[in-house]
Amino acid sequence: EVQLVESGGGLVQPGGSLRLSCAASGFTFSNYAMSWVRQAPGKGLDWVSVMSAGGTSTYYADSVQGRFTISRDNSKNTLYLQMNSLRVEDTAVYYCAKDVSTSVSGRATTPDYWGQGTLVTVSS
Amino acid sequence: DIQMTQSPSSLSASVGDRVTITCRASQGISNYVAWFQQEPGKAPKSLIYGATSLQTGVPSKFSGSGSGTDFTLTISSLQPEDFATYYCQQYNSYPPTFGQGTKLEIK
Repeated sequence: EVQLVESGGGLVQPGGSLRLSCAASGFTFSNYAMSWVRQAPGKGLDWVSVMSAGGTSTYYADSVQGRFTISRDNSKNTLYLQMNSLRVEDTAVYYCAKDVSTSVSGRATTPDYWGQGTLVTVSS
Repeated sequence: DIQMTQSPSSLSASVGDRVTITCRASQGISNYVAWFQQEPGKAPKSLIYGATSLQTGVPSKFSGSGSGTDFTLTISSLQPEDFATYYCQQYNSYPPTFGQGTKLEIK
């Protein structure tokens, strides 16, 4: 059974930093691209970032480019999202998702499994 | 960015009904559309990818169709657990973008 468990969310002041983790199990982690998708309170889904299976290719939403960094440790079956210079508008539940593809180049990919999410609140 | 416009934004239906949700892309995206279901307070669940292919474990009461710019999600024989919010997503190009959601409510 595929399981994705996010952690690391919490309350942070504007301008602060936070690192999210996503522990994966139930599939060969190193074979699949992985994504982060967020959802602000009462709003829709908002794609954040994706990393290829091998970790060589990444893409980011314009709204987080230069502030967020996605990474993965295939030896630990874990995906990360380093979030710096956080803004009030980054407040959301952040979901980790396993993608259907290995590669992320050329064409985007889409999730087939999702974690339960971790809440990030940016407020003074 | 490609915009995905869902209609309707909300929909009331009864148990046993068949409903259709529509998603229109602002430009052609071949068949690179996915559909997701989200119950209140829960994580999204993937239903369909490639416009028509069911994800593993998704019942055949869910079906998708379309190509180019116009896509539909049809749910037959509605059950209480189907009343949720549904989102489409295009993944033809970056950034992947979602529709605004369709809230399916019990009449």
